[in-house]
Amino acid sequence: DAGITQSPRHKVTETGTPVTLRCHQTENHRYMYWYRQDPGHGLRLIHYSYGVKDTDKGEVSDGYSVSRSKTEDFLLTLESATSSQTSVYFCAISEGVVTSVSTDTQYFGPGTRLTVL
Amino acid sequence: RKEVEQDPGPFNVPEGATVAFNCTYSNSASQSFFWYRQDCRKEPKLLMSVYSSGNEDGRFTAQLNRASQYISLLIRDSKLSDSATYLCAVNRGDSWGKFQFGAGTQVVVTP
Repeated sequence: DAGITQSPRHKVTETGTPVTLRCHQTENHRYMYWYRQDPGHGLRLIHYSYGVKDTDKGEVSDGYSVSRSKTEDFLLTLESATSSQTSVYFCAISEGVVTSVSTDTQYFGPGTRLTVL
Repeated sequence: RKEVEQDPGPFNVPEGATVAFNCTYSNSASQSFFWYRQDCRKEPKLLMSVYSSGNEDGRFTAQLNRASQYISLLIRDSKLSDSATYLCAVNRGDSWGKFQFGAGTQVVVTP
């Protein structure tokens, strides 16, 4: 299994509070991703990173920000949590070597279950 | 129309039977295709990549049909442990490393 951990694994918070989720990898992979998964929607990309300090938005980025100051860590921040952000959040990594066909394969962390009351 | 679509199922399959299901995609520029398995409340785990020529891994066979823009997964000799949700992933084509995921097909293998 790819060395990916997420913390916390479960969190309950209140509307309006900031929340930060952490993804940590030991694979030295270049690309890291944050997804949310909701019933009927599948996995939707929030933000991704293609290197230290290099990030870009995904399809559902409103209300979220990210930071990547080290290769191994990718942080997702909900600036002011809302009930619509109740979801399961998955981090994923991929090797990111452009010359190889298979290196955009993504591997997932165990997920964080977030409830916003 | 969603970029990647799957029949949500459930596909109820007797143990030992064969089951197959598809995933359609709309972006003709997509180049990478994958099947993931997801157990309830767990993370998706890579099942197999899908190659142009089709590929097999034990009881699992994946096919790609570029002309009709779909990938398929066939499971032979189904086991109880194959019960899961199967997600397809298709790269965006226009942006390296970015995938679209289907919402998943649920498979339930019954004794």
